[in-house]
Amino acid sequence: GQNIDQPTEMTATEGAIVQINCTYQTSGFNGLFWYQQHAGEAPTFLSYNVLDGLEEKGRFSSFLSRSKGYSYLLLKELQMKDSASYLCAALDSNYQLIWGAGTKLIIKP
Amino acid sequence: DGGITQSPKYLFRKEGQNVTLSCEQNLNHDAMYWYRQDPGQGLRLIYYSQIVNDFQKGDIAEGYSVSREKKESFPLTVTSAQKNPTAFYLCASSSGDYNEQFFGPGTRLTVL
Repeated sequence: GQNIDQPTEMTATEGAIVQINCTYQTSGFNGLFWYQQHAGEAPTFLSYNVLDGLEEKGRFSSFLSRSKGYSYLLLKELQMKDSASYLCAALDSNYQLIWGAGTKLIIKP
Repeated sequence: DGGITQSPKYLFRKEGQNVTLSCEQNLNHDAMYWYRQDPGQGLRLIYYSQIVNDFQKGDIAEGYSVSREKKESFPLTVTSAQKNPTAFYLCASSSGDYNEQFFGPGTRLTVL
């Protein structure tokens, strides 16, 4: 079966760094997406990785290892507005997104 | 401004009634999607459409129906056959398989 695993909840301190991990098992693989979702709102796109390595975009970076079926999202210089759920989604061989349940990130002052 | 609109934001219906959720996009995207999100769970695909007048069932299509008569519009009907319809419904669109999906603001449906 197809499966995405990510932690349910994480807590971090304002100004710090946090890494949210995601492991995936899919029928084929055509890339991995990260989305941010504030409570009661729609998800918004953060990043897309299809090749191994690190992609940096401002305070946010995303890493992919295809051989390990593993990705992480790295958030630096955390701000209170980063409190949200972070959704990992893998694109399978049929170009369908398989979604994880999301990681709720709580930022404390 | 380009984007996706969903209406209404909150919807209440009595059990046994059909209800239609609206989704409109002006991004000129070919592909559109409907997802359901329940607390503590990931997004689950209900239906998707890659071109006008064509759509495919997702993982949880039972009790739902869709149409795609126009590129801009992809309404979802939640029928009385859906056993547990109370959920947050999200519509999305994309310009291609490798491209990110853009989401509408969602409709929170509560069946009383």
